[in-house]
Amino acid sequence: SQQGEEDPQALSIQEGENATMNCSYKTSINNLQWYRQNSGRGLVHLILIRSNEREKHSGRLRVTLDTSKKSSSLLITASRAADTASYFCATDARDSSYKLIFGSGTRLLVRP
Amino acid sequence: NAGVTQTPKFQVLKTGQSMTLQCAQDMNHEYMSWYRQDPGMGLRLIHYSVGAGITDQGEVPNGYNVSRSTTEDFPLRLLSAAPSQTSVYFCASSRGLAGGQIRQETQYFGPGTRLLVL
Repeated sequence: SQQGEEDPQALSIQEGENATMNCSYKTSINNLQWYRQNSGRGLVHLILIRSNEREKHSGRLRVTLDTSKKSSSLLITASRAADTASYFCATDARDSSYKLIFGSGTRLLVRP
Repeated sequence: NAGVTQTPKFQVLKTGQSMTLQCAQDMNHEYMSWYRQDPGMGLRLIHYSVGAGITDQGEVPNGYNVSRSTTEDFPLRLLSAAPSQTSVYFCASSRGLAGGQIRQETQYFGPGTRLLVL
């Protein structure tokens, strides 16, 4: 079974709006990562947040991590049409940190 | 640097055929892994390697073999292709940590291999 599960599965917003995606996981982790995948392409790393961090920023991206709730959120501010992609969270479980397990992803559509 | 390269980009096989998907990285990364992605789904870990000569199973290893004879290369072998193995396969690499517990760091992905098994 997958470690991380994203919510919602699909999201459609207008350009300029903010997009929020959530990820829940099952076991204690070392860190959590977010990746973006454009259609038909490989995944691109966006941001990594460690288990002892609560919030991290990178440009228009803001990631939060709540280890007590085993959840994370990715916020994209002032979205652009170019942000249209699928977004995945990935975690490495503390009991087997060699494995990076991905969730099923959120498909984001940003309408011009 | 070329990063992570995968060949071929696309392959059609008949049921029962075998083939090898190639993956190479030029970043001297210790950790390499193979994932498969089925339509509308996330990535599932097939096999991974924490260094030359060391491999282990992921979530869905059945029907696949791997070996890691060099740091750069991590081929994935399909022993007897089945229609259920129709998927897009991604190879990824990341740097490991010398000594102690390895933690996952940024993964660098290849462009993928689309495999169709008839």
